Amino acid sequence: NAGVTQTPKFRVLKTGQSMTLLCAQDMNHEYMYWYRQDPGMGLRLIHYSVGEGTTAKGEVPDGYNVSRLKKQNFLLGLESAAPSQTSVYFCATHDRDPGADTQYFGPGTRLTVL
Amino acid sequence: AQSVTQLDSQVPVFEEAPVELRCNYSSSVSVYLFWYVQYPNQGLQLLLKYLSGSTLVESINGFEAEFNKSQTSFHLRKPSVHISDTAEYFCAVTHSGGYNKLIFGAGTRLAVHP
Repeated sequence: NAGVTQTPKFRVLKTGQSMTLLCAQDMNHEYMYWYRQDPGMGLRLIHYSVGEGTTAKGEVPDGYNVSRLKKQNFLLGLESAAPSQTSVYFCATHDRDPGADTQYFGPGTRLTVL
Repeated sequence: AQSVTQLDSQVPVFEEAPVELRCNYSSSVSVYLFWYVQYPNQGLQLLLKYLSGSTLVESINGFEAEFNKSQTSFHLRKPSVHISDTAEYFCAVTHSGGYNKLIFGAGTRLAVHP
């Protein structure tokens, strides 16, 4: 039972390059989220999904796209990376069982855009 | 709109001393409140949560938090800290019907010194 996994763990991009971050979960949770963490700002929601085939914008969606083709995977894409997207990215899933109402986080992806 | 304010960005404390990490929130609807802990180079782990019922909630490692609706606060306390409690602590809020999207505070870095 791996929980929430993220690939890759680290990545360095040049401005304008593209990449996809993969989040995978084996807990059968419907809800999944992508956050970014920046110093002094906590975590901010980029996009989220409430089920296979659905996505929605969060607080800071600009410059990112997402897809949820399979229930267990949630992909975050950067089409043209910018230095402002240098951050640590966390994926999370949500357990909706009554009394749980808890989010589980992956280990993070540290992205640097030069 | 909801928001979370963590009043201290850093809290230095000596081992075995008590500590309080402060969290205030604003919301126009009933809220669910959470404290997450992040150890260096790791993802976030749930420490404790308030969903309903008793306003005092406890974690398995000695932390507790009290939901105070009148003061819109959810401060985290521990009567005696250990070196291993050194980490960053995040307060977060969500509400029912909001797809459990978490709004995070900026974080408080707890540094426990021998």
